[in-house]
Amino acid sequence: GAGVSQSPRYKVAKRGQDVALRCDPISGHVSLFWYQQALGQGPEFLTYFQNEAQLDKSGLPSDRFFAERPEGSVSTLKIQRTQQEDSAVYLCASSPGGAQYFGPGTRLTVL
Amino acid sequence: GNSVTQMEGPVTLSEEAFLTINCTYTATGYPSLFWYVQYPGEGLQLLLKATKADDKGSNKGFEATYRKETTSFHLEKGSVQVSDSAVYFCALSGETSYDKVIFGPGTSLSVIP
Repeated sequence: GAGVSQSPRYKVAKRGQDVALRCDPISGHVSLFWYQQALGQGPEFLTYFQNEAQLDKSGLPSDRFFAERPEGSVSTLKIQRTQQEDSAVYLCASSPGGAQYFGPGTRLTVL
Repeated sequence: GNSVTQMEGPVTLSEEAFLTINCTYTATGYPSLFWYVQYPGEGLQLLLKATKADDKGSNKGFEATYRKETTSFHLEKGSVQVSDSAVYFCALSGETSYDKVIFGPGTSLSVIP
């Protein structure tokens, strides 16, 4: 069966540009999480969806970050007016409850 | 708040050596504990988990036991292989099924022939 997929795998943006990162979770998984992983560090929580409801967005670092999951399946993480400190790998994970299953991530580089 | 601490790396071992990566946690209640592994160029993979005290998680020769009295979840393997070279993350999540995962900083392991 297919795992969690993310696209694009790599994204280079100029400072100030908007970017959109996509996550396709495992079919049937109710929960979806976004994490940010800076170089050499562990992933840090950004936001959580249960179906289409965003139940926790406490980890979003600023109001430039926005996530949605309108139909309770695919999710998009949008970053407006990107800054250099946004450079990181953005990981998506889905879960049926319990352990989370991670996608390969999108490596974002902001120049 | 909840947190995870794990031993600093990098760790370099010879093939067939014994591996221990220490992990301790701070959490309220009864969290679930995990080890995730990230091989070079690949995404995070769940290696093993334990959901209650004294549980032992195991997979691919790796083991870790949930020790509530010492708030620890140390990863061990009796004989490492070159293919075990990766970054290992200790992690926890809360008591509910839909809690976020809190990760440690990761320990890089290199196994040399």
